[in-house]
Amino acid sequence: NAGVMQNPRHLVRRRGQEARLRCSPMKGHSHVYWYRQLPEEGLKFMVYLQKENIIDESGMPKERFSAEFPKEGPSILRIQQVVRGDSAAYFCASSRYQETQYFGPGTRLLVL
Amino acid sequence: QQPVQSPQAVILREGEDAVINCSSSKALYSVHWYRQKHGEAPVFLMILLKGGEQKGHEKISASFNEKKQQSSLYLTASQLSYSGTYFCGTEYGGQNFVFGPGTRLSVLP
Repeated sequence: NAGVMQNPRHLVRRRGQEARLRCSPMKGHSHVYWYRQLPEEGLKFMVYLQKENIIDESGMPKERFSAEFPKEGPSILRIQQVVRGDSAAYFCASSRYQETQYFGPGTRLLVL
Repeated sequence: QQPVQSPQAVILREGEDAVINCSSSKALYSVHWYRQKHGEAPVFLMILLKGGEQKGHEKISASFNEKKQQSSLYLTASQLSYSGTYFCGTEYGGQNFVFGPGTRLSVLP
């Protein structure tokens, strides 16, 4: 039973480029959460999605960031026109219902 | 509203005990505990749903005092493998899930 999968594991982008982070939840899980973690800091909630719906995006920056969880395929966190401050680890977690969240290995984004 | 964790950091020798607290200014629906090792993803430890609930996982256990809006994580006879950052995650009314800032635990031989 595969766990939560994220790709890529590492992503390097130059300022102004776009970053696309993918998350495949565990089998049977329809709830997906995205978190950002800066070095030596805690996890910051970004967005909570169910299939085809954004449930809570209160942690998402108003500009440049968007997330989706289509009916088919992985959830995608998209960052447009990246800046150096976007460099962080981005974790995705999934759950069956609103309960225990299982985390993926994360995507380390580095903006040059 | 982010829950408060205390202490921020703790250093133990193998075999010693530790308590990590997580408290909130708002009524909690549930509390989740996770451990994260450096450079790795957080790993789920346990979830507490009801006031007064206590759970155990090997030598790690937790309690949830609903009235005090607080949860405590107990690590007994600590092992080197317990080192990492412990996060509590709190739920308010089932939607907004918020992690605490973390408590860094170092277990020395």
